[in-house]
Amino acid sequence: AQKVTQAQTEISVVEKEDVTLDCVYETRDTTYYLFWYKQPPSGELVFLIRRNSFDEQNEISGRYSWNFQKSTSSFNFTITASQVVDSAVYFCALSEARQGAQKLVFGQGTRLTINP
Amino acid sequence: DAGVTQSPTHLIKTRGQHVTLRCSPISGHKSVSWYQQVLGQGPQFIFQYYEKEERGRGNFPDRFSARQFPNYSSELNVNALLLGDSALYLCASSSTVRRDGSQPQHFGDGTRLSIL
Repeated sequence: AQKVTQAQTEISVVEKEDVTLDCVYETRDTTYYLFWYKQPPSGELVFLIRRNSFDEQNEISGRYSWNFQKSTSSFNFTITASQVVDSAVYFCALSEARQGAQKLVFGQGTRLTINP
Repeated sequence: DAGVTQSPTHLIKTRGQHVTLRCSPISGHKSVSWYQQVLGQGPQFIFQYYEKEERGRGNFPDRFSARQFPNYSSELNVNALLLGDSALYLCASSSTVRRDGSQPQHFGDGTRLSIL
């Protein structure tokens, strides 16, 4: 079965520090997609990135970067020079496509608090 | 363009009652999915609909049902409410459903359901 593990329940850092959120996944599929979502207090899940299993290049978007390592089944997320507005719960998710349906399997989430 | 909209925002019910939650997808999106997020956990997949047909169902009892209308909006119904149904119910939409699971899903703010 598909499974996503985010071992860090909560992380608290001071503004401007770099922080890495860990994500480890399990799947039997050879082709799969991984996602990161941000959930601010309002509740909405905000899509951040999608990565397919064939592309192991790291991706950078501004202060955000993602490190995908198929050998260790990990898809880690780093925020550089963190800001208070980055405070939120972050979810890693694995897409499962079966019999015409597509669902996301989420990890437990990591609550990130950036202190001024 | 408006994002995914859900109503109501908050709802309080008592055990044994039933509830209907509503979702309007992003304009042009034909797929709607429902997720349940219990406090402190990641969202769990309940249903996916595409073009008014049920495409997938998660591990939820028959008390949970849903439907999608010709305008692609959707309702989630829960009968015989239990205390354990207290959660944030999230609706997500996507333009289509891809067999490889690559389609990003865009989420609404959710409906927070409390059962007394």
